[in-house]
Amino acid sequence: GAVVSQHPSRVICKSGTSVKIECRSLDFQATTMFWYRQFPKQSLMLMATSNEGSKATYEQGVEKDKFLINHASLTLSTLTVTSAHPEDSSFYICSAPWGQGTQYFGPGTRLLVL
Amino acid sequence: AQSVAQPEDQVNVAEGNPLTVKCTYSVSGNPYLFWYVQYPNRGLQFLLKYITGDNLVKGSYGFEAEFNKSQTSFHLKKPSALVSDSALYFCAVRDTNAGKSTFGDGTTLTVKP
Repeated sequence: GAVVSQHPSRVICKSGTSVKIECRSLDFQATTMFWYRQFPKQSLMLMATSNEGSKATYEQGVEKDKFLINHASLTLSTLTVTSAHPEDSSFYICSAPWGQGTQYFGPGTRLLVL
Repeated sequence: AQSVAQPEDQVNVAEGNPLTVKCTYSVSGNPYLFWYVQYPNRGLQFLLKYITGDNLVKGSYGFEAEFNKSQTSFHLKKPSALVSDSALYFCAVRDTNAGKSTFGDGTTLTVKP
């Protein structure tokens, strides 16, 4: 099956710094990738759709300037949390669709902002 | 608009007993339906999907799901639960004409020995 990787798996940063999370499709090309945020024992919240070669599409209520998304190639999308604050601490997951709409998810990135 | 409902936050079953995790959906077109499983601190893993054809779909780890168009349901089932099946399960639907899937709120399955 399709494999999606995420890096880093865990990051701790100080308040006010920026953090970049990478999402890669390892064995297939992805013109679209999705970024989710998940709170403990809660559902996935779709943050944005990353589009290769064009601007990302953000969901309502998600700050574009705070969560910067760049889909640099057909296998790489990055999410940058700018000026991170403790309330941004969460589990961030990316996914890429492949094969009739099935989404393949990365292993997630645990962000802790101190 | 498309939506998914997982009416149970938590399902508890004893090991060896059958399990069912419920899911109902709403879409305007023909649905693509999916089940995913998430283990602690991990991303989601694809279990199975219904696109067309036989209403009973078999997937990974012995799971299956039945598409019921009249009841707009896609319940996940397994004849004999294992302790290792304990995890968070998500149902998802995608309208064939839509670009993204909508996920349910998830159901935590606990299988006790």
